[in-house]
Amino acid sequence: GENVEQHPSTLSVQEGDSAVIKCTYSDSASNYFPWYKQELGKRPQLIIDIRSNVGEKKDQRIAVTLNKTAKHFSLHITETQPEDSAVYFCAAIANTGGFKTIFGAGTRLFVKA
Amino acid sequence: DGGITQSPKYLFRKEGQNVTLSCEQNLNHDAMYWYRQDPGQGLRLIYYSQIVNDFQKGDIAEGYSVSREKKESFPLTVTSAQKNPTAFYLCASSAKNRGSGEKLFFGSGTQLSVL
Repeated sequence: GENVEQHPSTLSVQEGDSAVIKCTYSDSASNYFPWYKQELGKRPQLIIDIRSNVGEKKDQRIAVTLNKTAKHFSLHITETQPEDSAVYFCAAIANTGGFKTIFGAGTRLFVKA
Repeated sequence: DGGITQSPKYLFRKEGQNVTLSCEQNLNHDAMYWYRQDPGQGLRLIYYSQIVNDFQKGDIAEGYSVSREKKESFPLTVTSAQKNPTAFYLCASSAKNRGSGEKLFFGSGTQLSVL
């Protein structure tokens, strides 16, 4: 069935460094790739997304890249800050008459001050 | 709270007991979802509904039941058949139209524990 693999499961960086989280999806019909951030004890919230007709998207310190051929997509956070510490989930969705979101297992990011 | 409300925040279940988790949204979204979150396993889909009076099983539906009698409400019942119910349960909703329907809006979650 559909599957999204996410790596690493835990990532620790120094404040100001960059962080990269990578995901791989299996369903070639996937055409929408959102990233959700979940702070401790809070609900997941969408932080950035990308569609299959775009290779890269940037929003201030965060960016997402997509390689459709390799079925890879990545989240890049530059100039990390302590408030970036959270669990990040990638996801893939195929519009097959409905929207079924398949999530990765999550990456716990620690930003050390 | 972003228009989607879950209650209660914490819930305890005794062995053999059915419990119901509430999810209400005022975003006028057609689709609603229930996810289970276990540490290290991400979000797994339990049930989803794209329209009133209709719902489909997700990847881990066994031991759970839902209803969708109103557009605003999508309650989840954890039955006694669910042998390992301890988890964080998240409800979500989304619009139906392409271009925005893929984006999920989450409730604040219910932590269910077994006594």
